[in-house]
Amino acid sequence: TQLLEQSPQFLSIQEGENLTVYCNSSSVFSSLQWYRQEPGEGPVLLVTVVTGGEVKKLKRLTFQFGDARKDSSLHITAAQPGDTGLYLCAGYNAGNNRKLIWGLGTSLAVNP
Amino acid sequence: DVKVTQSSRYLVKRTGEKVFLECVQDMDHENMFWYRQDPGLGLRLIYFSYDVKMKEKGDIPEGYSVSREKKERFSLILESASTNQTSMYLCASSPLNYGYTFGSGTRLTVV
Repeated sequence: TQLLEQSPQFLSIQEGENLTVYCNSSSVFSSLQWYRQEPGEGPVLLVTVVTGGEVKKLKRLTFQFGDARKDSSLHITAAQPGDTGLYLCAGYNAGNNRKLIWGLGTSLAVNP
Repeated sequence: DVKVTQSSRYLVKRTGEKVFLECVQDMDHENMFWYRQDPGLGLRLIYFSYDVKMKEKGDIPEGYSVSREKKERFSLILESASTNQTSMYLCASSPLNYGYTFGSGTRLTVV
């Protein structure tokens, strides 16, 4: 059972466009994290959100945690080719703080 | 700079061989994890450990075993490699309830 659903699965856009990717669940999470993975490398943690309604910004990336702590979104403004990669969301279920539940990821290609 | 180091980036082994994948972290993290990553299947947890000499099965432990004799080192063992174990293997570590730090991965090919 996939507890975290990510959409879209694939996204190909032109440099300068804006985009939003989503991470949804029917379960409540105590925290959600976003990672970016480049080909041939391990995922790298971008941000952790812990409070319902929380918004965090990392340069051109904006992360939001849903009010009910069941979903999250990642918005990229003016995408650049360096943003290309696989974006993964992951979360800790309430009552389990040892191992993350992972989404399958959104593969983003930003074309020059 | 904190690190998780995996012993090999690329590995080619023959069917039936015993394969050892090593992972070392320098952050004094309690938790360590082994995942495999395959296209369309995402990250699948093989085993994890939350303390020295402790281990717990993940979602796909069959055909694998692990060893954690020291806090900083977590080894994954393929007892008898098979072609369906060809994959990208990722090691990660974390403190309790925090984000993971991953190694660069080992791309294993079993022929």
